[in-house]
Amino acid sequence: GEDVEQSLFLSVREGDSSVINCTYTDSSSTYLYWYKQEPGAGLQLLTYIFSNMDMKQDQRLTVLLNKKDKHLSLRIADTQTGDSAIYFCAESPTRGNTPLVFGKGTRLSVIA
Amino acid sequence: DAGVTQSPTHLIKTRGQQVTLRCSPKSGHDTVSWYQQALGQGPQFIFQYYEEEERQRGNFPDRFSGHQFPNYSSELNVNALLLGDSALYLCASGVGNEQFFGPGTRLTVL
Repeated sequence: GEDVEQSLFLSVREGDSSVINCTYTDSSSTYLYWYKQEPGAGLQLLTYIFSNMDMKQDQRLTVLLNKKDKHLSLRIADTQTGDSAIYFCAESPTRGNTPLVFGKGTRLSVIA
Repeated sequence: DAGVTQSPTHLIKTRGQQVTLRCSPKSGHDTVSWYQQALGQGPQFIFQYYEEEERQRGNFPDRFSGHQFPNYSSELNVNALLLGDSALYLCASGVGNEQFFGPGTRLTVL
C-alpha cells in the first residue's frame, strides 16, 4: 500500500537552513512532490522530482531523493519568516494527472 | 490567467443535509481532482474527472459524487452529511506532472 510519513514539527531560526524529511513506502512512486500550505489557504506547488533523479535545485529550494531508502528531503536555504507554513510531501505512482498520496505535513516555524 | 477557483469559500450545514461545491480549473487544464483535508491531516483523494467522466476514485462512500461539465468545471456533491464530513475540500487541476490546487471550500457540519 501507499504511505507517506513526515515529522510533524520543525523550528528554525531566521537565516538558518531548514531540512524537512519524508519517507514513502510505494517503490513504484514515479514523481515526488513538495507543497506548501499557509494558514487558511490551499496548497502551493513548490517543486517536484522524478524518481530517476537524485537532486533538484530551484533557487533556495533543494530536493534530495534517496530511492534506495525511499527518503525525500526538502532543504530551504536562508529560511525567512515568510517560509512559516505546513509543508506536505506527496507521491504519485505514474506520470500525468494521477492521484497524489500526501503525508500529514510538517509545520515549519521560523523564529526571528 | 486565473488559477484554480472554488466556491463558496465557507459553508455551514447541518447533519443530513446535502451540499454542492464548485470548481473551475486553470485555463487549459481538462482534468479535475477533488481532495478532502481534515483538520491536522494531509489531503485525501476523493475522485478525478476527465472528459466528463469519473476516471479514478479514492476510498470514499457513494454519498460523495461529482460531475464535470463540457467547459471542464466540476461539482462535488455530498449527501446525508455527517459531522465527520467537516473538512477543507480542495480541487486540483493539472497538466503533465504538475497539479495545481485551488484555495478550498471550508465545510462545517453541525
